[in-house]
Amino acid sequence: NAGVTQTPKFQVLKTGQSMTLQCAQDMNHEYMSWYRQDPGMGLRLIHYSVGAGITDQGEVPNGYNVSRSTTEDFPLRLLSAAPSQTSVYFCATSGTMNTEAFFGQGTRLTVV
Amino acid sequence: GNSVTQMEGPVTLSEEAFLTINCTYTATGYPSLFWYVQYPGEGLQLLLKATKADDKGSNKGFEATYRKETTSFHLEKGSVQVSDSAVYFCALRKGTQGGSEKLVFGKGTKLTVNP
Repeated sequence: NAGVTQTPKFQVLKTGQSMTLQCAQDMNHEYMSWYRQDPGMGLRLIHYSVGAGITDQGEVPNGYNVSRSTTEDFPLRLLSAAPSQTSVYFCATSGTMNTEAFFGQGTRLTVV
Repeated sequence: GNSVTQMEGPVTLSEEAFLTINCTYTATGYPSLFWYVQYPGEGLQLLLKATKADDKGSNKGFEATYRKETTSFHLEKGSVQVSDSAVYFCALRKGTQGGSEKLVFGKGTKLTVNP
């Protein structure tokens, strides 16, 4: 049972580089989301999706893009990395209507 | 909008002490409430949940009761262990038919238990 798989686990980028954080789930959940976790800030929602082909912005969407072409995958793209995007990123999935979320192990990203 | 407020840490206790981490929420209607735990270097795991008023969620000796009248969901454990050292997050989810169903988190409370 893989659950929610995030890759890579660690990444160092130079300012201005682009990259994609991968998230895949095998739970057949419709709802997927990306959070960033920073010290003292808790988890902040970046983007989310309620199903294939549907995405929307969360609390801190600037500098990030997402797409949802399949139920299983929800990649997060950094178009031009900035030091302010240094953070730990978590992908989460959940079923419908008030059910709990399942989290990946996280990607620790450092932008230098 | 929906929001969650939990007590700020860090909290430091001795082994076998009693733990309370306060959590209050603001939401319309009847959200589901959750406590998640994050051990060092790991993702978040569901600790317990409650989906309606007066429900008590429990797991691994932890308990929390959904109090609609006080909009609270305080986490308690009667006797903590060193292995309980982690960051604890209170969260709510208010699903609507065809709606966004976002999960809203508190800022987290870091617990350290000393032997």
